[in-house]
Amino acid sequence: ETGVTQTPRHLVMGMTNKKSLKCEQHLGHNAMYWYKQSAKKPLELMFVYSLEERVENNSVPSRFSPECPNSSHLFLHLHTLQPEDSALYLCASSQGSGSGETQYFGPGTRLLVL
Amino acid sequence: RKEVEQDPGPFNVPEGATVAFNCTYSNSASQSFFWYRQDCRKEPKLLMSVYSSGNEDGRFTAQLNRASQYISLLIRDSKLSDSATYLCVVISRGYTGNQFYFGTGTSLTVIP
Repeated sequence: ETGVTQTPRHLVMGMTNKKSLKCEQHLGHNAMYWYKQSAKKPLELMFVYSLEERVENNSVPSRFSPECPNSSHLFLHLHTLQPEDSALYLCASSQGSGSGETQYFGPGTRLLVL
Repeated sequence: RKEVEQDPGPFNVPEGATVAFNCTYSNSASQSFFWYRQDCRKEPKLLMSVYSSGNEDGRFTAQLNRASQYISLLIRDSKLSDSATYLCVVISRGYTGNQFYFGTGTSLTVIP
């Protein structure tokens, strides 16, 4: 399935590096999301973009910076991360951001911070 | 209290068995409910929405109990391919929009 793609699939970075995660959706959706999934924890919603405007930011540290240049692309810029930021980062999209909308997830980027 | 709580399991059941999972939520104003399935090291995928009247999709039945604030998933005639983690998702209205709350997941292993 290629509805939502993410690159890279795996990333290893040092704490002083700067990197970016990319997400692209081919479903014509208007809302995109970044989630963090750590071991034995529920999915954490990091950012929501609806019609290219950030709708919610759940107090995510500033070392994570999202960018949504258009409704099909979403980036997560990473800067001076900590080892505890190692996790699976999932992108999702939905038609709208309203109640009842189904989200479709990308395969995720598995991030390791050394 | 967590927004969404699930029994993490693991549930180990023989092929052909019927198994049920529950998921409780704390916000009585929650609006939408879903079950997702996540295979090991893969992304979550939508299994089914949960409607107030209950809904069925083949061997899977989902139910919502608003009075007791829980949703359930029933799997009949379990197959080996049903082995996965099942996540419940609850959508509630927040100050700035809709909040998506995920349970930690219930692990199911179907044994031959």
